[in-house]
Amino acid sequence: GESVGLHLPTLSVQEGDNSIINCAYSNSASDYFIWYKQESGKGPQFIIDIRSNMDKRQGQRVTVLLNKTVKHLSLQIAATQPGDSAVYFCAENRSYNTDKLIFGTGTRLQVFP
Amino acid sequence: NAGVTQTPKFRVLKTGQSMTLLCAQDMNHEYMYWYRQDPGMGLRLIHYSVGEGTTAKGEVPDGYNVSRLKKQNFLLGLESAAPSQTSVYFCASSYSFFGTDSYEQYFGPGTRLTVT
Repeated sequence: GESVGLHLPTLSVQEGDNSIINCAYSNSASDYFIWYKQESGKGPQFIIDIRSNMDKRQGQRVTVLLNKTVKHLSLQIAATQPGDSAVYFCAENRSYNTDKLIFGTGTRLQVFP
Repeated sequence: NAGVTQTPKFRVLKTGQSMTLLCAQDMNHEYMYWYRQDPGMGLRLIHYSVGEGTTAKGEVPDGYNVSRLKKQNFLLGLESAAPSQTSVYFCASSYSFFGTDSYEQYFGPGTRLTVT
């Protein structure tokens, strides 16, 4: 069936370390992926996106890697800060201009001093 | 800019009651969306709009109606609320649609709805 899931429900990281949050997707036809951050009591916040014709995309302190061979997506956060503590989830879109954005359930990132 | 705002923040309804959730954005975005978020299920798209006067069904549209009479506003209506509609509802807007170069989606703070 269709699914976008996350390997680890909770990730604990020491401040200053790098964080890696993983996401697996099931449909090889998916061609667009997004990472969101959601802090407690707030709406999701767009972090970064990547198309299937790319393997890597970098933003400010974040990098998204896409491995289409194993249908795996990861979000790397460099020098993790307390403000990075949140739930992170990925989403996939099957093709341009469709309404079906499939969201994962989320991984909670906890940053400790 | 206020970004995306939603009213109300909380609401409790009895089964069968109706209500309208209001979403407003001040970024002149063409696209607007309504999602629901349930524990363990992730966000699911209810309805969306690609411009003023247009709406389309998303993944879980049953039991909801929407209207986009003004570009900056997107209304979500529940005509006869059911306990299954207990959820957190998020509105979002974007300048472009999924996968385009300038796509970035902005979410509102959410509305927590409980139907008893």
